[in-house]
Amino acid sequence: GDSVTQMEGPVTLSEEAFLTINCTYTATGYPSLFWYVQYPGEGLQLLLKATKADDKGSNKGFEATYRKETTSFHLEKGSVQVSDSAVYFCALSAVYNFNKFYFGSGTKLNVKP
Amino acid sequence: SAVISQKPSRDICQRGTSLTIQCQVDSQVTMMFWYRQQPGQSLTLIATANQGSEATYESGFVIDKFPISRPNLTFSTLTVSNMSPEDSSIYLCSVSRQGGEKLFFGSGTQLSVL
Repeated sequence: GDSVTQMEGPVTLSEEAFLTINCTYTATGYPSLFWYVQYPGEGLQLLLKATKADDKGSNKGFEATYRKETTSFHLEKGSVQVSDSAVYFCALSAVYNFNKFYFGSGTKLNVKP
Repeated sequence: SAVISQKPSRDICQRGTSLTIQCQVDSQVTMMFWYRQQPGQSLTLIATANQGSEATYESGFVIDKFPISRPNLTFSTLTVSNMSPEDSSIYLCSVSRQGGEKLFFGSGTQLSVL
């Protein structure tokens, strides 16, 4: 069945460091891919998405490219800030039912000043 | 966007009791979803709640354990029945917009069962 695997956390970085959070997926066909973020005390919110192969989603300095060859959707940011400290979830929506989402287990990012 | 209010935000319950979680959306939506996030694990879809029909449950979840109501297009409840410590989780309400390709989430209910 469809599933998402993302790197375990926590990830601790210094401010202005480069961030990569790995995400790979297993799915039938070509699903849409998402990154959601959960800031402390808040609900999950969409960070970025890509709906087809080679698409790049971007938002708030974060980027992720839909790679069908490697079935990956890694999240990157060139220079993290303390305010980026949050839990990041990779997700896909099933091709056969776009309302059905599969989430990774989340990666907690701590950014130190 | 969608503003989703979920309550309670947290609760501590005794084994064998039931808890009802409420989810209110600021606008009408066709489909509402209930997720569970167990400690250190990913979000798992419990069921999809449609107004005017029975909820659709995912494999591993049953109506007797997780009854859902959907009385109108802006409100839903999820009840966790006959609770055990294994039900300790975060329960999340969500809705979809933009053709189903974007989920909005409530802030969740953190449930601890003693």
